[in-house]
Amino acid sequence: AQSVSQHNHHVILSEAASLELGCNYSYGGTVNLFWYVQYPGQHLQLLLKYFSGDPLVKGIKGFEAEFIKSKFSFNLRKPSVQWSDTAEYFCAVNAGSSGTYKYIFGTGTRLKVLA
Amino acid sequence: ETGVTQSPTHLIKTRGQQVTLRCSSQSGHNTVSWYQQALGQGPQFIFQYYREEENGRGNFPPRFSGLQFPNYSSELNVNALELDDSALYLCASSPPQTGAYEQYFGPGTRLTVT
Repeated sequence: AQSVSQHNHHVILSEAASLELGCNYSYGGTVNLFWYVQYPGQHLQLLLKYFSGDPLVKGIKGFEAEFIKSKFSFNLRKPSVQWSDTAEYFCAVNAGSSGTYKYIFGTGTRLKVLA
Repeated sequence: ETGVTQSPTHLIKTRGQQVTLRCSSQSGHNTVSWYQQALGQGPQFIFQYYREEENGRGNFPPRFSGLQFPNYSSELNVNALELDDSALYLCASSPPQTGAYEQYFGPGTRLTVT
């Protein structure tokens, strides 16, 4: 069965620190990959997505992610976090099996950035 | 452009009751997906609707059912509520030009079953 693993459940950083959140998935076929962010009290928002092409994708708010096919990974990075990045981050995979484009989400990583 | 909207925002029900949650898709979006997000977990796929037909289902029992209307809005119905059904229910809509590869989420309905 397809699954998504997010290694870090809680991360605490100081402002200006660098961020890397891990995401690994299990699926042997073609996948579409996403990172979503959920700010406190707000709905899920798309940070970035990978469908094909350049494995290094840039998203909103200075986030980027790298798809490494051989490692089944899609890690999220940001060189310098801000207090406003405090949120929960979800990695998701969309494998489009049988024409059903469901997302499989990881369990999320709660990021707290200290001012 | 109005995004995905859901109603109600919060709901409290008693075990054994039935509930209907509603979702209005983003303008022009013709595919709607429903997810359940339990506390501390990522969203789990319930089912998806396309052109008023169910287009795939996750590991949820038949007491979870849905509808999609000609205007692409959708309902999620849950019968015989159980305590474990307490969760945030998310609706997501997708534009036709991307299939359902891109999903835009609503704010969710928080259901509490007592």
